[in-house]
Amino acid sequence: DVKVTQSSRYLVKRTGEKVFLECVQDMDHENMFWYRQDPGLGLRLIYFSYDVKMKEKGDIPEGYSVSREKKERFSLILESASTNQTSMYLCASSLAMGYEKLLFGSGTQLSVL
Amino acid sequence: AQSVTQLGSHVSVSEGALVLLRCNYSSSVPPYLFWYVQYPNQGLQLLLKYTSAATLVKGINGFEAEFKKSETSFHLTKPSAHMSDAAEYFCAVSDRKAGTALIFGKGTTLSVSS
Repeated sequence: DVKVTQSSRYLVKRTGEKVFLECVQDMDHENMFWYRQDPGLGLRLIYFSYDVKMKEKGDIPEGYSVSREKKERFSLILESASTNQTSMYLCASSLAMGYEKLLFGSGTQLSVL
Repeated sequence: AQSVTQLGSHVSVSEGALVLLRCNYSSSVPPYLFWYVQYPNQGLQLLLKYTSAATLVKGINGFEAEFKKSETSFHLTKPSAHMSDAAEYFCAVSDRKAGTALIFGKGTTLSVSS
């Protein structure tokens, strides 16, 4: 069963901590994405990657960085976590950009205290 | 830049009634359009997508959507709601330029009462 796996379902961190959110896909997909989901705001694109070591900023990249050293793994990094980064983080992957459907992970609910 | 607007953050229907969830898009080029559904405590899954073949697109679970260029709309419908349709629905757009990612709307929560 093909899937996108996010390493943690729930995560609690303190302000100022460096936080790593990990995402792994087993479908050999070229493209991977990080979104955050907030009530009333829907999904907002943080970063995406269309190849190993390649990354593109989405709509809200401030305060985040990403790493893609291997095709199957895409990490989201919060350099210094802040309370306004408390959110549900969704990772997704797709075979091709634009017209192919996204396959989503189950999400990581991050709370920054 | 492309964007989508979902009209109504919350829609309530009775079981057996018509479901209509509204989505309007803005794109400078012909878009790809999608509807995703998120059931409680689950990830998002694709309901249907429009990629310029037929303007009426049929999806899973009896849902369909019609692409209307003149109205820049892609509304989602289902003739008869079921309790299991209660979920959050997201409209999304992508333009046809290589390297662009999906942009999602703010979502519409569908409630179904018996």
